Formats: sequence, C-alpha cells, structure tokens
Amino acid sequence: DTGVSQDPRHKITKRGQNVTFRCDPISEHNRLYWYRQTLGQGPEFLTYFQNEAQLEKSRLLSDRFSAERPKGSFSTLEIQRTEQGDSAMYLCASTPGGGYEQYFGPGTRLTVT
Amino acid sequence: AQTVTQSQPEMSVQEAETVTLSCTYDTSENNYYLFWYKQPPSRQMILVIRQEAYKQQNATENRFSVNFQKAAKSFSLKISDSQLGDTAMYFCAFRLTNAGKSTFGDGTTLTVKP
Repeated sequence: DTGVSQDPRHKITKRGQNVTFRCDPISEHNRLYWYRQTLGQGPEFLTYFQNEAQLEKSRLLSDRFSAERPKGSFSTLEIQRTEQGDSAMYLCASTPGGGYEQYFGPGTRLTVT
Repeated sequence: AQTVTQSQPEMSVQEAETVTLSCTYDTSENNYYLFWYKQPPSRQMILVIRQEAYKQQNATENRFSVNFQKAAKSFSLKISDSQLGDTAMYFCAFRLTNAGKSTFGDGTTLTVKP
C-alpha cells in the first residue's frame, strides 16, 4: 500500500493555459475524490467517482474544469483557460467501498501567473 | 446544504497539557459521520478520529477524544498530553451516510509549545 499519489506536486502556469493533474488512488479503492483548498480554508469538494462513473460534481466545477477516471483506476483533473483565481492546492482522496475514512494524497499546488 | 464552522482559527498549548478544539455543524439530516482530520505543515491530511451520529458514546483514539453533542450540533476534539508532533492544522468534517463528499470547516491551526 503506497498511499494516494498525485502528479505533479507543483505547477506554475500562465493565465489562459491548460493544465492537467493526475491522481493515483490506493489500489482497490473504488471511490476517488477531488477537492480544492485555498490558503487558510478547508478543502472544498469538486467531484467524485465510484469506479469510472462520475457521481457528483460541485457547482464550483465550472465548464473549464473536467475530470475523468477512464478505467476506474487513476484520475485526471483538467483546467482549461486557467485564471488567477484557480491558484490553489488540488487534493485527491480515495476510499474503499463502504469505508468511512478518506485517504488523501499530498496535493498539487497550482500557481497561475 | 450542510455547513461546518470552526470558530478558533488559531490555538496554542504547552507540551503535555490538554487542549480542546471546537466545531459546530448544521444539517437537517439524521444519519451522518463526523471526522477530525490533521494536516501537518507541508504534509498530507490524515484522519484523527471519526464519530457515527447514531452512536451516543463519544469516540476515543489514544490521546484524542471527542465530545459529540448531537442536539447542539457540536463536535469538539480534545487532545490530552499534547506532543510537539501534534502541531498541525485540524479540520472538522461532515459526511452524510448516503453521500460521497465531505464538507470541511476552515480549520484550526494548533501549535504545541515546548
């Protein structure tokens, strides 16, 4: 069990560029979550998957954001036409079916200049 | 919609002493879980303790215990015999039993002083 991993750990991009983040959950965890955390605040829910099905999306997830989990294993979160307000830590978490606890990855810190 | 409020942005405690972090939440639902997560500086978030709303008994994990007051919608975390390694940001979180997402408070930064 290697834990939840996220790549890259840091990303600096210019406003208007597209970025993509990857999350690898703990193997056999069928639920995967994306959260966004800004400085001094708690994580805000963005979306979650059960296997490959995206079951819920937050209103925070504008049409510039898209997430996929094509084979029910890793997931990607893409942000198109980045804005300065997208600067945040993007956290991924996973849960085994029926589990209570969310296991978090280290996050990807995005800075939009 | 559920909300979680942590009214103490920062707290400090002397090593070996006891500290209590506060959390209140708002929901009209009856079946849910409550959690405390710890996020050490530059490290990933980990679960400290959880409480099922249907259980009247307060959860305890070693030096960590909660005071769950369902009617008051209050869920405080007590840390006994504080250690330097307890220095971290602590988040209170809420999740409905039939939902996937968790709703988090804005956190309390706890500093344990030697």
